[in-house]
Amino acid sequence: DAGITQSPRYKITETGRQVTLMCHQTWSHSYMFWYRQDLGHGLRLIYYSAAADITDKGEVPDGYVVSRSKTENFPLTLESATRSQTSVYFCASSFLGGLADNEQFFGPGTRLTVL
Amino acid sequence: QKEVEQDPGPLSVPEGAIVSLNCTYSNSAFQYFMWYRQYSRKGPELLMYTYSSGNKEDGRFTAQVDKSSKYISLFIRDSQPSDSATYLCAMSGGGADGLTFGKGTHLIIQP
Repeated sequence: DAGITQSPRYKITETGRQVTLMCHQTWSHSYMFWYRQDLGHGLRLIYYSAAADITDKGEVPDGYVVSRSKTENFPLTLESATRSQTSVYFCASSFLGGLADNEQFFGPGTRLTVL
Repeated sequence: QKEVEQDPGPLSVPEGAIVSLNCTYSNSAFQYFMWYRQYSRKGPELLMYTYSSGNKEDGRFTAQVDKSSKYISLFIRDSQPSDSATYLCAMSGGGADGLTFGKGTHLIIQP
């Protein structure tokens, strides 16, 4: 299907385990983003990428690692999960160039619970 | 102080009413202003997009930006129960550095 997809949609893990959340988009958008959404905080940017092999930190990067070897994929890894990383994670993407840079399209989200 | 302030609500209005949703911000560098709608357990979807100051209308929705006051608004006319959702304002200075979101306002349209 065209668009932006995330997997898994739901994940339960234990403290200390490594977890990888996947994001895939079929639009060939250059920019991709990872956000987390928590009650009382809204959406906060974790990491973003302007192109393959180019990534940068957002507002809350600690405890997370990203990579982008292909334009269409942007996985997010929690190296050693903590309870504070229990959240809903959203991936987003946007075009390159002009005003459309800022029109971000979101995936359906991954609901992560760390026990 | 957060860069973007938005009343979380909930805001409950009867069907057919005009709804006014607002955000204030502190960063003068913001130039791009958006409103996203998010239904329960879904990803945000772009509703309105405005560059710099001014108004933009799309059907029942009107977005207003007042950069001098650092204040943005979304108006919904003839509100419908299907408009019940969380509305997130978002803004950016441009480029690849992501969006800064408000916390979202939970809107309930009563049939």
